[in-house]
Amino acid sequence: GAVVSQHPSWVICKSGTSVKIECRSLDFQATTMFWYRQFPKQSLMLMATSNEGSKATYEQGVEKDKFLINHASLTLSTLTVTSAHPEDSSFYICSARGDSGYGYTFGSGTRLTVV
Amino acid sequence: KNEVEQSPQNLTAQEGEFITINCSYSVGISALHWLQQHPGGGIVSLFMLSSGKKKHGRLIATINIQEKHSSLHITASHPRDSAVYICAFAVRTDKLIFGTGTRLQVFP
Repeated sequence: GAVVSQHPSWVICKSGTSVKIECRSLDFQATTMFWYRQFPKQSLMLMATSNEGSKATYEQGVEKDKFLINHASLTLSTLTVTSAHPEDSSFYICSARGDSGYGYTFGSGTRLTVV
Repeated sequence: KNEVEQSPQNLTAQEGEFITINCSYSVGISALHWLQQHPGGGIVSLFMLSSGKKKHGRLIATINIQEKHSSLHITASHPRDSAVYICAFAVRTDKLIFGTGTRLQVFP
């Protein structure tokens, strides 16, 4: 079945540094990638939607200069948290969708801790 | 009113019990998804259904489009079924609208 590989699974970084999270679709072409953020015991919150080769569409309230999304190929999308602050500590997860059907495949998530 | 509501929010069960989780939505949809989020955070897509019933192992999902209601059933529940179960559907832009999730704990 469809697989999305997300790395790293966890990362600890210092305030002010940038962190890059990668999501790769291993056996299908991800025409659309979704990036979510999740706080403890809360539902997934959509941050942005990206289509291959296009600029990402950010949800209201999400700073596009802080959360840089790149979807340069049909198998790779990245989320870079720039100048990270402790309040950016959260669980980030991607989801990919190909052209066929309505299926969504999720990555395993990245737990980011900013100290 | 939320577009999608799940019940119950929390559910505990003894191993072997039959589990039912309900999902009601308020808009017309073409397909509904059931997702499982493990304690570590990873999400697995269990079902995508637009009508009738689907079965995979001990999991059964049903949907009634007219009543805007779906259920997820787990037969012979096991402690490894402990997870958060989420129903979701996509709107026009492919964005998924998520339910609040049902936290299931199955005790041996």
